[in-house]
Amino acid sequence: KQEVTQIPAALSVPEGENLVLNCSFTDSAIYNLQWFRQDPGKGLTSLLLIQSSQREQTSGRLNASLDKSSGRSTLYIAASQPGDSATYLCAVNGMKTSYDKVIFGPGTSLSVIP
Amino acid sequence: ETGVTQTPRHLVMGMTNKKSLKCEQHLGHNAMYWYKQSAKKPLELMFVYNFKEQTENNSVPSRFSPECPNSSHLFLHLHTLQPEDSALYLCASSLDDGATNEKLFFGSGTQLSVL
Repeated sequence: KQEVTQIPAALSVPEGENLVLNCSFTDSAIYNLQWFRQDPGKGLTSLLLIQSSQREQTSGRLNASLDKSSGRSTLYIAASQPGDSATYLCAVNGMKTSYDKVIFGPGTSLSVIP
Repeated sequence: ETGVTQTPRHLVMGMTNKKSLKCEQHLGHNAMYWYKQSAKKPLELMFVYNFKEQTENNSVPSRFSPECPNSSHLFLHLHTLQPEDSALYLCASSLDDGATNEKLFFGSGTQLSVL
């Protein structure tokens, strides 16, 4: 059974710092891994998706990497801003069909202090 | 704006009430999903519909009843809920064409409180 964990559970950093969020999964048989952002009481916004054949994806100040063999993904945020404060979730999509077996991590709550 | 719209945004109901949550997408997606997000717990997949057919029901109690009349609309009918059902209910959709790079798109959710 796939299990997804995220470390740390919460993180507080001063504005301008670079930071790394971690996601670990137990079953390496995945289609893709997606990183989401969630603001309090709101839905999820997709940030980056890495297919199982890829090693990393970049969008602006965000860079996500994937190491399937070790069951790990990282989300790197450069030059953090107060607007980056949110909960970040990773979701691992199993090998069956599209999203029938997607498993979400518990999230990392990020606070960027001005 | 993700293209997935959920109504209502907030709902307070008693345990004997019947209510429905609505989700609508105009992205041309073929698959729609209901998720439950409780405080301090990861998102839980409740139901999946592919091309209007229910393909997944993750042991959800019968007091939750989904309905998918067409590929653009998804409902979650609620009846005789319990206080522990209070949570954020999220709808999502995906293209579901078999590609490995397709993303999940979420609505803003319905914050449900059961009194």
